[in-house]
Amino acid sequence: DAGITQSPRHKVTETGTPVTLRCHQTENHRYMYWYRQDPGHGLRLIHYSYGVKDTDKGEVSDGYSVSRSKTEDFLLTLESATSSQTSVYFCAIPGQGASGNTIYFGEGSWLTVV
Amino acid sequence: AQSVTQPDIHITVSEGASLELRCNYSYGATPYLFWYVQSPGQGLQLLLKYFSGDTLVQGIKGFEAEFKRSQSSFNLRKPSVHWSDAAEYFCAVGVGAGNMLTFGGGTRLMVKP
Repeated sequence: DAGITQSPRHKVTETGTPVTLRCHQTENHRYMYWYRQDPGHGLRLIHYSYGVKDTDKGEVSDGYSVSRSKTEDFLLTLESATSSQTSVYFCAIPGQGASGNTIYFGEGSWLTVV
Repeated sequence: AQSVTQPDIHITVSEGASLELRCNYSYGATPYLFWYVQSPGQGLQLLLKYFSGDTLVQGIKGFEAEFKRSQSSFNLRKPSVHWSDAAEYFCAVGVGAGNMLTFGGGTRLMVKP
């Protein structure tokens, strides 16, 4: 158990509405990541954080913003959801100690934009 | 920028047969290398990883992988597949201070009885 909780796990929303996904960790790790998973593309990095208020863009950041006001929470926001953002979203954190170079994933958030 | 290629989108093997899933990467140095497995509707589970040292690494569920620097490959193998191994398998490379992962497109494994 990597100590990651994502919410909501499933959401259906309408085009043009804002959506926020939450990732909560209990490991007190500096780094947190948001990925999206789409068929044929594996997982792609959206944004990551390397500390409170320290975030940076990943490979597919357009249309997404993030915030990290506390070590334990990393929020992903779709300001105006589009159908192309229908996907499965995974939060991830590094392991602890000797597993620090290993990335562990949450259970995923299934988002459907209709 | 780094990239990962998994040439086989789908593979079907008979239960009890051996398995090899291919992974090739492109990166200027030796990255950290990972294999993850995902069952339908589930998250990703780490199978094994390579950071340095012995190029043959053992993982969970009887899987192993071999790093070949000359071929930029990190192929996953299992000598005898079980029906419960049916899943999607992802190869990934980790680079940078935060070990950001770049994934291949995945290989879906189906197991025939």
